Amino acid sequence: EVQLVESGGGLVKPGGSLRLSCAASGLTFTNAWMSWVRQAPGKGLEWAGRIKSKINGGTTDYAAPVKGRFTISRDDSKNTLYLQMNSLKTEDTGVYYCSTSSDYYGMDVWGQGTTVTVSS
Amino acid sequence: DIQMTQSPSSLSASVGDRVSVTCRASQSINNYLNWYQQKPGKAPRLLIYAASSLQSGVPSRYSGSGSGTDFTLTISNLQPEDFATYYCQQSFSSLYTFGQGTKLEI
Repeated sequence: EVQLVESGGGLVKPGGSLRLSCAASGLTFTNAWMSWVRQAPGKGLEWAGRIKSKINGGTTDYAAPVKGRFTISRDDSKNTLYLQMNSLKTEDTGVYYCSTSSDYYGMDVWGQGTTVTVSS
Repeated sequence: DIQMTQSPSSLSASVGDRVSVTCRASQSINNYLNWYQQKPGKAPRLLIYAASSLQSGVPSRYSGSGSGTDFTLTISNLQPEDFATYYCQQSFSSLYTFGQGTKLEI
């Protein structure tokens, strides 16, 4: 069974940092492109960023609201995806999902989400 | 960035009805358009990829159409479990974007 499990969410003060993890199982993680998608309370889905597989360059892309503050990385030896979030703002509050990500096949596997709350 | 605009924002329907949700892109995205369903407190679920391809395990009452800038998700013979929020998402650009969502209510 393909599974993604996020962890690392919590309460952090504005200006603080947090690192989220996404542990993958049941898929060839090395070949997977991965995205982070977030959802503010009561709002819609917002794509935050993506990392390609290393064989495709391992490059990253970010949505404008998080570019320069968030960094996506991967450790293929641990089948784990990361989201390093710095200079957090109250508007970064929400549920953060990791997902597999393909330009053609869409985001077909999702984790259960982890909640980030940025508040003083 | 490519903007995705869904309509309507909300929709009321009954079991057995046929409903459609539209999604318009701010520029041509060929067929790089995906549809998701989300229920409260749950992760999104991929329904349709590449505008019209049904994801494995998704009931055949779901269908997608369109190309270029205009796309449609149609649900035939609505079932109780179909009442949820639906999102379109473009993957033509390296910067993905979602529509704002359409809430389907009984």
